Amino acid sequence: GAGVSQSPSNKVTEKGKDVELRCDPISGHTALYWYRQSLGQGLEFLIYFQGNSAPDKSGLPSDRFSAERTGGSVSTLTIQRTQQEDSAVYLCASSLEVAGGRNEQFFGPGTRLTVL
Amino acid sequence: QKEVEQNSGPLSVPEGAIASLNCTYSDRGSQSFFWYRQYSGKSPELIMSIYSNGDKEDGRFTAQLNKASQYVSLLIRDSQPSDSATYLCAVNRGRDDKIIFGKGTRLHILP
Repeated sequence: GAGVSQSPSNKVTEKGKDVELRCDPISGHTALYWYRQSLGQGLEFLIYFQGNSAPDKSGLPSDRFSAERTGGSVSTLTIQRTQQEDSAVYLCASSLEVAGGRNEQFFGPGTRLTVL
Repeated sequence: QKEVEQNSGPLSVPEGAIASLNCTYSDRGSQSFFWYRQYSGKSPELIMSIYSNGDKEDGRFTAQLNKASQYVSLLIRDSQPSDSATYLCAVNRGRDDKIIFGKGTRLHILP
């Protein structure tokens, strides 16, 4: 079946503009994560949607960042008033929720965001 | 103490040798452990999952888990230049199953 998809693959925007990044998880996957990865750096956790539970937003770096997940499927990450330090690759991953944590994550191809 | 720790490397290994990658974690409630490979400019790709103490082999890869010592390792036998990548260790957090990633170890296989 289809893997995790993300759009757009590349986004160039001007400082101060808002951007929306989209993630389509694997069908049936109830857990969804957003990460940010700057060049040469590790994965930075942003937000975690777990089924019907309240999302874990503990990784969002500022109130300019928000995310929602509609209908338990597609997710949108919104960055308001973008700054140059927001430039990075934004990765989405999804997984089944399996008892005991056997929730293997599968990643999308990412969205490369460049803020000029 | 970081939840998941890895040596950042780079780890340089001659072609054909065994590459050994290590990871330690802090949560004794963790039950699931994963290794991901990430090539430069690409997304992480799951290569191994391990849930029980001991060894799990898949082709040239062997994952080893020791819950008592809170470490998990990945061995790559007969290393190939194509194994050069960053290897990420990931562990589920016991209280909510959230997956926590280490910062990754850069592996360089020398031809």
